[in-house]
Amino acid sequence: ELKVEQNPLFLSMQEGKNYTIYCNYSTTSDRLYWYRQDPGKSLESLFVLLSNGAVKQEGRLMASLDTKARLSTLHITAAVHDLSATYFCAVTVDSNYQLIWGAGTKLIIKP
Amino acid sequence: ETGVTQSPTHLIKTRGQQVTLRCSSQSGHNTVSWYQQALGQGPQFIFQYYREEENGRGNFPPRFSGLQFPNYSSELNVNALELDDSALYLCASSLPLGLGTEAFFGQGTRLTVV
Repeated sequence: ELKVEQNPLFLSMQEGKNYTIYCNYSTTSDRLYWYRQDPGKSLESLFVLLSNGAVKQEGRLMASLDTKARLSTLHITAAVHDLSATYFCAVTVDSNYQLIWGAGTKLIIKP
Repeated sequence: ETGVTQSPTHLIKTRGQQVTLRCSSQSGHNTVSWYQQALGQGPQFIFQYYREEENGRGNFPPRFSGLQFPNYSSELNVNALELDDSALYLCASSLPLGLGTEAFFGQGTRLTVV
């Protein structure tokens, strides 16, 4: 059974600091997704990582994938308050249908 | 905006009742997946429809059922509602994920069972 673990589950940080969220998964999967969710809202797609060594960046967020280590990271650079949200990683099973999700990392960025 | 719309946005039902949730997929997408998200947790896969056929199912009982229509919109039906069914129900529209595409989510339906 594929399991996805994120850590930390909760992170409170100051504006301007850097931090990394980790996503580990238990079996082979070469498609990893990062989503953002604001309180009471739906899920917003951030990144799709399709191959080993893939790195994608958007603004202050950068995601990477190491399929051999079964690890993805989401790095936040010089955090700003607007990045406060819950971040989820998810991987596919059989590449065709269901996304298996981590529990989410709740990120609070204090001014 | 993702172009994926769900209705209703909020719903209150009594235990034992039945409910139907609706989802309109994004133009050009032929795959709709449904997820249940309990408060403070990650989404759980319910099932997926591809070209009007069920294409995978998660660990949910048969009282969770669905349909996909020729225009690729979809319904989620839940019979004999239980208190634990209270959650945010999300539908995701995509092309088959094996193509490396991403899934776009609707705003969700918040179901409360009392």
